[in-house]
Amino acid sequence: EPEVTQTPSHQVTQMGQEVILRCVPISNHLYFYWYRQILGQKVEFLVSFYNNEISEKSEIFDDQFSVERPDGSNFTLKIRSTKLEDSAMYFCASSVRGTGETQYFGPGTRLLVL
Amino acid sequence: QQQVKQSPQSLIVQKGGISIINCAYENTAFDYFPWYQQFPGKGPALLIAIRPDVSEKKEGRFTISFNKSAKQFSLHIMDSQPGDSATYFCAASKGSARQLTFGSGTQLTVLP
Repeated sequence: EPEVTQTPSHQVTQMGQEVILRCVPISNHLYFYWYRQILGQKVEFLVSFYNNEISEKSEIFDDQFSVERPDGSNFTLKIRSTKLEDSAMYFCASSVRGTGETQYFGPGTRLLVL
Repeated sequence: QQQVKQSPQSLIVQKGGISIINCAYENTAFDYFPWYQQFPGKGPALLIAIRPDVSEKKEGRFTISFNKSAKQFSLHIMDSQPGDSATYFCAASKGSARQLTFGSGTQLTVLP
């Protein structure tokens, strides 16, 4: 069964450093998403991406964040200058279409900012 | 107004019992209500979803009940099994928007 994959599974970084989280969505999916989950809290939407551009973003997704689909398979989330409060589990998700469609989540990348 | 409120925070049920998790929302523009199941170390996985044009949807042991006038929806797990022990999240999305707004999660433990 096709699945969303994410790398790395864990990343430790120093505050102020740039990190890139990588995702490979399911191959025939057209919509891509990033969510985050701070330990013990709910899953929060960051951004959705379609047709090589951002279609929605939350208040969390400020200028420190960016997304890119550098090739036909990868979807990346970049955090330019990490802060302590960026420590969280980051989930990539994808869906065939957008509205009301099942979003399939990857296993997540646990980011720890020291 | 964007929030989805979920209760209880944790739930312990005996094997074979019924697990009930409740969610409430304020934004009447929400029109898609999925439930996700999350095991430790894994991403959320869709369990079952409902739209507001029906009051109930059943898939196997899992049932969503939806009360549009009360702006509430709930997940019922019949004949709960130890393998159902996980965190359950309700969520909602609206119209052309694709972002899911998640509830705070319920940690379900089913005792053998």
